[in-house]
Amino acid sequence: DTGVSQNPRHKITKRGQNVTFRCDPISEHNRLYWYRQTLGQGPEFLTYFQNEAQLEKSRLLSDRFSAERPKGSFSTLEIQRTEQGDSAMYLCASGLGGETQYFGPGTRLLVL
Amino acid sequence: AQSVTQLGSHVSVSEGALVLLRCNYSSSVPPYLFWYVQYPNQGLQLLLKYTSAATLVKGINGFEAEFKKSETSFHLTKPSAHMSDAAEYFCAVSDATGNQFYFGTGTSLTVIP
Repeated sequence: DTGVSQNPRHKITKRGQNVTFRCDPISEHNRLYWYRQTLGQGPEFLTYFQNEAQLEKSRLLSDRFSAERPKGSFSTLEIQRTEQGDSAMYLCASGLGGETQYFGPGTRLLVL
Repeated sequence: AQSVTQLGSHVSVSEGALVLLRCNYSSSVPPYLFWYVQYPNQGLQLLLKYTSAATLVKGINGFEAEFKKSETSFHLTKPSAHMSDAAEYFCAVSDATGNQFYFGTGTSLTVIP
């Protein structure tokens, strides 16, 4: 059990650019979640996968955001045409069943 | 709809004193409840969870929490604070499906030597 990993850990980009983040869950976990966390706030749910199926999406997930989990393993979160308001920590979590989530270290995004 | 309220965005205690972090939830169905800790620039680490078994839940690092349905509360306590407990603490709730988790806004704990 190597834990949940996320790459990159930090990303600085210019407004209007596209960015992609990767999450590798704990290997046997069938559930994978993405959250956004801004300074001084708790994590806000973005989307959830069970295996390769994306089952829940938050209203926070605008059409500039897309997430995939091909083959039910790692997941990617892409933000197109980034805006300054997208600056945040993006957290990934995985779980087996729905009882508990295990979080990765996060990817901190700064949009200039 | 589910939500979590954490009373007190900042709590300061002296080293060795009791830690009490408050969490109230609203849920239309029996919930699962969690406490997570977050250190600067890190992800969240699970401290403890309530999943409809014993109402007094013991977690890691000497923390425990009690589920009180009548008060819709799940307060986190630790008898004696240690300097290493200084961190951000988040309460979270989900329903039994675990499809979505809802987090509170967090409580920053400062431990004064």
